[in-house]
Parts: sequence; C-alpha cells; structure tokens
Amino acid sequence: GAGVSQSPSNKVTEKGKDVELRCDPISGHTALYWYRQSLGQGLEFLIYFQGNSAPDKSGLPSDRFSAERTGGSVSTLTIQRTQQEDSAVYLCASSHGLAGNNEQFFGPGTRLTVL
Amino acid sequence: AQKVTQAQTEISVVEKEDVTLDCVYETRDTTYYLFWYKQPPSGELVFLIRRNSFDEQNEISGRYSWNFQKSTSSFNFTITASQVVDSAVYFCALSEMEGGGADGLTFGKGTHLIIQP
Repeated sequence: GAGVSQSPSNKVTEKGKDVELRCDPISGHTALYWYRQSLGQGLEFLIYFQGNSAPDKSGLPSDRFSAERTGGSVSTLTIQRTQQEDSAVYLCASSHGLAGNNEQFFGPGTRLTVL
Repeated sequence: AQKVTQAQTEISVVEKEDVTLDCVYETRDTTYYLFWYKQPPSGELVFLIRRNSFDEQNEISGRYSWNFQKSTSSFNFTITASQVVDSAVYFCALSEMEGGGADGLTFGKGTHLIIQP
C-alpha cells in the first residue's frame, strides 16, 4: 500500500482481556517500530524489528506486552491481561533500514481504551 | 541516556506571525540524528526534516526553517508567516547511532501550536 496501515483504528476492551494490534508497513521497508502515545508519557518507543528479528525488547512496558513480525512484513503487538494504564494510542512506523538516518513513516495508530 | 526537551507546551499566535519552536537535546553520542514531526488533529505523524550531527547548516523549506546549533544542543524550528493549517502538535526527536539505530526515536513532549485566524 501507499503508507503504513494499522488495524483496528479503535479498540475498546475490558480490563483483563487480551488484545492484538496489527501493523502493515510500507512494502519493502525492512525496519518496523512500535510506539505508544499517551497523555502522561508522550511518545514512547516500545520495540523495533529489523526483518523478523527484534534485537532489544527492553522498551516493552511489562511482560504482558509482546510483539512479533512474520515474513518481514506484518507485525502484531499483543497485550495480555490489559490494564487501564495500557490505554493509549499505539503507533507503528516503518523505514527502509537500520539507523536513525532513515526517515520513519508512521501509521494512523490504534486507539486502545481499557475499561 | 538520550533526552529531548521541548519546553513550550503550547504556543498561540495570530495568523501571519512568525513563531519559533524550541528543542534542546541531550546525548553522549557524537553521531546522531535529529528530526521534527508534525501531528495535525487527524493524528498521523508527518515527517518534516532530518538532520545529522555533522551538518550544522541551517535549512529552509518554504515557510519552514531549522536552526541546528551543537554548541547549545538545540534544534529550533521556525515557521514564517504562520497559517491556520500550521496548527498541530510538533515533535522534536533524536536517534542515536551508537546502538546501531535500534533504539527507535526519543521524542520530546511536543509543542501544541495554535494559529488563530
């Protein structure tokens, strides 16, 4: 597609439920990033993929968060046993390759609300 | 660790005024990249500019200009003759190279710019 797409655009869930957020990066982009945007914390980096590999998962807020990427393309961010503090907009970005000298293109985000 | 500070939480100006958004960064790396992104009310982050740490030349693109000064660790953004469509939240961001670029972008808290007609 022309840009990064994310689904769903909005997700409302009950506390304790699991959720899956999906990101389709720009075709040909090898690097994929997940960020979280919330009122209190601003924009936080969560995790990065180069191909299917995530070399550093330390940015994930807790062990309830996991992410995977298959086929070097689509990525899913899974949050287990959601808590109210997980409510935020989850943004995905992709870029041509490694390193900060590549512009990251952002998707529209998934707004997650945990009741 | 890296840090980006945007001290101005919100700025409100009248259309056609010039406005400068401040960005101060901290990093121990000698090689790094700085970015500005715009987030309009629609929510999608739009890339505006990337600057590497070895290039201190100011950049101008239409009504936008950027002033990078390593001596003060600042990367300020000026909009000349502001327009209502410039209303958005603007984020300054930093990426360090030492980690192979695997750390993602470190963003400032953003400056909410309001251009009044």
